[in-house]
Amino acid sequence: TQLLEQSPQFLSIQEGENLTVYCNSSSVFSSLQWYRQEPGEGPVLLVTVVTGGEVKKLKRLTFQFGDARKDSSLHITAAQPGDTGLYLCAGDGETSGSRLTFGEGTQLTVNP
Amino acid sequence: ETGVTQTPRHLVMGMTNKKSLKCEQHLGHNAMYWYKQSAKKPLELMFVYSLEERVENNSVPSRFSPECPNSSHLFLHLHTLQPEDSALYLCASSQDVGQGAYNEQFFGPGTRLTVL
Repeated sequence: TQLLEQSPQFLSIQEGENLTVYCNSSSVFSSLQWYRQEPGEGPVLLVTVVTGGEVKKLKRLTFQFGDARKDSSLHITAAQPGDTGLYLCAGDGETSGSRLTFGEGTQLTVNP
Repeated sequence: ETGVTQTPRHLVMGMTNKKSLKCEQHLGHNAMYWYKQSAKKPLELMFVYSLEERVENNSVPSRFSPECPNSSHLFLHLHTLQPEDSALYLCASSQDVGQGAYNEQFFGPGTRLTVL
């Protein structure tokens, strides 16, 4: 069974601070996806990383896929209250086909 | 309507009731999914359909019965549920069931189910 561990589980910061969320596994993934989920809504895809060592930027969000494709990080610069939400990583196993493995998520609260 | 829609958004039912959750995707995707989201647990994949054929069933109790009449619609029929089945049920679609960009999930808003 492939598992994805996210840390921290909860994060509460002030507006303007920087933060990093981690997604780790002992398994290799062919790709990894990051989602954000707001209360009362379904998760929304932010990015997919595919190549080991890949870095993708989405405005103030920077996503990195580990060289060995076993881990990923999400860094947010100058967080804003609108960044508040549950951040989920999901790994696409090398042989899993249709099944994504989701982490438990990191609940981020950005206080004004 | 755009994206993935789910109805109802909230459902309260007794253990002896029969109800159905409905999902519709307007994205032209070939694959549709049911997930269960419980507090402090990762998203649990329940069922996967590709072009109306079930391709995965992850040991889900028979009190949950999926139906996919066409590639745009997905139902989850509920019968004699237990209180521990209370959760957010999410429907998703993806272009296909392949890897990488093909299985990027587009989620609906979910149905918040409470079983009394």
